[in-house]
This record gives sequence, structure tokens and C-alpha cells, in this order.
Amino acid sequence: IAGITQAPTSQILAAGRRMTLRCTQDMRHNAMYWYRQDLGLGLRLIHYSNTAGTTGKGEVPDGYSVSRANTDDFPLTLASAVPSQTSVYFCASSDWQGKGYTFGSGTRLTVV
Amino acid sequence: EDQVTQSPEALRLQEGESSSLNCSYTVSGLRGLFWYRQDPGKGPEFLFTLYSAGEEKEKERLKATLTKKESFLHITAPKPEDSATYLCAVRDQGAQKLVFGQGTRLTINP
Repeated sequence: IAGITQAPTSQILAAGRRMTLRCTQDMRHNAMYWYRQDLGLGLRLIHYSNTAGTTGKGEVPDGYSVSRANTDDFPLTLASAVPSQTSVYFCASSDWQGKGYTFGSGTRLTVV
Repeated sequence: EDQVTQSPEALRLQEGESSSLNCSYTVSGLRGLFWYRQDPGKGPEFLFTLYSAGEEKEKERLKATLTKKESFLHITAPKPEDSATYLCAVRDQGAQKLVFGQGTRLTINP
């Protein structure tokens, strides 16, 4: 089934630990995105990649890093997790025209 | 800076009671206004994309309309299964990323 796969589904993480959230798409979309969703704040863009090999900062990039080594994968890394990074993280992708904008099912991360 | 404001924050209706959700936006050049539905614990599910003022799209009990400043999501004779959070987002010219509003949480009581 074409779409986006995110892993893990949920995670409890100790503060200060490093964590990588995985995202894979099989639609050959050139653009990929990471959002976080917090109650009352909606979906906010963390980082994005318009094409393999390039990345850009979104609205709330601090404390996060991304890489885009190929078309299908777009991992999000928290180098040293803090409690304020407790959130639900969504990966998304689209074609070069911004069409077919599709979301994964999310990763619920709790930093304690 | 692109901005999207949705109202109301929450709406509770009786089954069969029609209503509308509002999405006001500010962009330098609109390249698409998107509506998504999100169920608890799930990712947003695509509903519609509108590109120009006057455009309308329909799907079952939902109809989305667009003006130069806002979009409406009209819900006709809703059913309890229409209960969800509805998200509005805009794509600006020159960008592929979307800017989202905070959503409207819709509850349809049987």
C-alpha cells in the first residue's frame, strides 16, 4: 500500500538521550516534511526537504536535525532530548507541485 | 508571513444540523488551500485542495469553497462519523511546505 511509514509508533525517552524518528515513503515524492503537533498550537513545521540531498529549516527547528540521503527516507534526530520536545511528530511528503500531500500516522514521543 | 486562522475552535452539532467551518488566510501568493480531516491518534487525511477564488469541491456531505481571503467547509446533514478535527492549510508561491491553522474540533451528537 502506497504511503508513508513512521517508526516507532510511540516512545518514552529519558531527557538527554539521542533519538531518531524514522520516515519512509514509497510514492517517489521529491519533497518531505516533519511537523510536530501540540494541543492548542496545531501542526508546526520543523524541517523540510524539497529534494534528495537538500534540507531546510521550518518554523521550529531548534534541537532537531534531518538528513535526506535518498528520495524515500527522511529521518528526524533529536540530539539531546528535552521535555519540551514531548509531542506527536508527523512526517509528510508531496510531489514537486505540492500535490499529493500525504501524512504518516505519527510518532508519539514523551520525554521524561 | 503566511497566516491561517480557523474558527470556531470547537463546534458541537446535532445529527442532521448543517453548519460551516471557517478558514481565514493571509499569503503573498496562494498556490493551494488544503482541507484535512484528522481523527484522534491518526495522521491528517486529505479532503480537498482549492486553487482559485470561486472554486468549489464536494465530497459526500462536505463542500469546500474559496474566496480571496477565506475558505469555508460546509457540512450538510452531518452524521456522528463526521466527528473529527478539520484542519486548513495554505501553500504559498515558491514553497512546497504547508502552513496550518489550529483546526476546528467538530462533534456530531446522535
